[in-house]
Amino acid sequence: QSALTQPPSASGSPGQSVTISCTGSSSDIGAYNYVSWYQQYPGKAPELLIYEVNKRPSGVSDRFSGSKSANTASLTVSRLRAEDEADYYCSSYAGSYDLIFGGGTKLTVL
Amino acid sequence: QVQLQESGPGLVKPSETLSLTCAVSDYFITSGYYWGWVRQPPGKGLEWIGSIYHSRTTFYNPSLKSRVTILVDVSQNQFSLKLNSVGAADTAVYYCARLGGSIVGGSYFDHWGQGILVTVSS
Repeated sequence: QSALTQPPSASGSPGQSVTISCTGSSSDIGAYNYVSWYQQYPGKAPELLIYEVNKRPSGVSDRFSGSKSANTASLTVSRLRAEDEADYYCSSYAGSYDLIFGGGTKLTVL
Repeated sequence: QVQLQESGPGLVKPSETLSLTCAVSDYFITSGYYWGWVRQPPGKGLEWIGSIYHSRTTFYNPSLKSRVTILVDVSQNQFSLKLNSVGAADTAVYYCARLGGSIVGGSYFDHWGQGILVTVSS
């Protein structure tokens, strides 16, 4: 059971698009379509952005989208806004009722 | 809109047991879903601890399984976490959450409590 790998940081200017990667293995991301993404502001609880690779919960902006290719999942934030500056975490089902997270990516809006 | 609220001691001594409770409101635990705990050490990432169903079926993170017990109290509409033999590495913000998903055990966390900081120190 290893953590998923995310870049520690990402950045972009307002209006641009940014993609955050999340790399796992053939035992987790590569094996299941159960990848989720969370947004977390400092001192606050995480909030669900994407579940089951590319589904958005009600109320989440369509500027957030998810995808997956082989053992890597991605979160794309389009039309970047200042309010998108936060930490982002990916998670995946890893079999045997196990859930694992990535180390998190700090997104900076320049 | 389901709401979750953690409660418990904010300070625990090394080698003792950390005990937290999560009260669920505006939703009956017995109506379905798995309910779980996630922790976050200061300045670090998230770690799933374990999850439980109202039938008392539980699933635990393999790396914590030997020290963790999660229980449910349907009469109080709450669930709890016990982590024994704690050390400094267990200092973290502990979140309770509801799990969604079509698989047994759930695959994502769709509602979260605000979190409670627990410090392990003598």
